[in-house]
Amino acid sequence: AQSVSQHNHHVILSEAASLELGCNYSYGGTVNLFWYVQYPGQHLQLLLKYFSGDPLVKGIKGFEAEFIKSKFSFNLRKPSVQWSDTAEYFCAGGGNNRLAFGKGNQVVVIP
Amino acid sequence: SQTIHQWPATLVQPVGSPLSLECTVEGTSNPNLYWYRQAAGRGLQLLFYSVGIGQISSEVPQNLSASRPQDRQFILSSKKLLLSDSGFYLCAWSLLGGGQAFFGQGTRLTVV
Repeated sequence: AQSVSQHNHHVILSEAASLELGCNYSYGGTVNLFWYVQYPGQHLQLLLKYFSGDPLVKGIKGFEAEFIKSKFSFNLRKPSVQWSDTAEYFCAGGGNNRLAFGKGNQVVVIP
Repeated sequence: SQTIHQWPATLVQPVGSPLSLECTVEGTSNPNLYWYRQAAGRGLQLLFYSVGIGQISSEVPQNLSASRPQDRQFILSSKKLLLSDSGFYLCAWSLLGGGQAFFGQGTRLTVV
């Protein structure tokens, strides 16, 4: 079945450190890929998305993700995190009318 | 602009009672609709999705069912709730199949 997997559910890092969250998908055919963020007590919001074209996608708040088809990956990166980046991050993959999410990464940034 | 409404925001129901959660979308036509359950450490589990009126795809066998009686209405139901049905339920819509999803505010269901 089409699925999305995320690893290292809990990530703790200091401000100014770099962040990379892994996402792997298993989809046949065309796939749309997304990263969503959920700040404490808030709703899910879209960070960035990839449908086609340039595999390096820029999102809001300094986040970016790279689609690597050969690795079935869509990893999220931010060069220098801030305390306000503390949140849960979800990778999602869409295709064939489905939209499936990974289990999420709980990221805590220590001031 | 498009909006999605989901209610109620919180619900406490006894074991064995029925359930009906409603979700409606405004400002768009023929959306793809989704029901998810969110649990800590388990992400968003896709429960059902629908591409049109009366068309429901179920992801996992469970005690819940979904219906789409109108184009922009999506209902999550149960005839008899179990304790394990407790959780946070999210409705979402997308314009394209598998496209960017927009979420409702969610329903916190507690079965007692």
